[in-house]
Amino acid sequence: GESVGLHLPTLSVQEGDNSIINCAYSNSASDYFIWYKQESGKGPQFIIDIRSNMDKRQGQRVTVLLNKTVKHLSLQIAATQPGDSAVYFCAEIRGNKLVFGAGTILRVKS
Amino acid sequence: DAGVIQSPRHEVTEMGQEVTLRCKPISGHNSLFWYRQTMMRGLELLIYFNNNVPIDDSGMPEDRFSAKMPNASFSTLKIQPSEPRDSAVYFCASSPRGTYNEQFFGPGTRLTVL
Repeated sequence: GESVGLHLPTLSVQEGDNSIINCAYSNSASDYFIWYKQESGKGPQFIIDIRSNMDKRQGQRVTVLLNKTVKHLSLQIAATQPGDSAVYFCAEIRGNKLVFGAGTILRVKS
Repeated sequence: DAGVIQSPRHEVTEMGQEVTLRCKPISGHNSLFWYRQTMMRGLELLIYFNNNVPIDDSGMPEDRFSAKMPNASFSTLKIQPSEPRDSAVYFCASSPRGTYNEQFFGPGTRLTVL
């Protein structure tokens, strides 16, 4: 039978290039956002978070940008490596619960 | 620290059977979360506990699902009776305090209901 499910967007990048993964959120009152990475067969793993009183936050090789005007969040990964291949989820606080987006598949080509 | 521990890692059962999933959070963490992940609906929060007390169970699908946290180091998610549509990966996560914190996820339990 036909399989029906979420169609996740896929981003393919060359090893060493920078990656930008985008996320739109719906709740203008959301004040906390997190990016998670999920590798095949594993649970989600925290990457970086940002509060709404900030526009940008940097970690090791990753940067999160928050644009509250258009309700947009992005994750930038510098010098993408094969180990970065995974599904990336943005999540927002909604009613004191963490709500996850559908995810984006990142494929790194060697 | 060992991280969040879940058991079993895989469970195959027949429709109508009772299923119990288990979770041991990271020691010292005060909040525990149960999630379900499916291809159709993605990652959904089912219930979360603060200091062993259920705070929000609005994500629990129906009365067939129940969750308990008898102490700070153990939680169960029970499905009775199970149905094929319950097939999913169930994750447990814990955080030091509440939702505004990094949540540490366990490896998940892959449940298949035939």
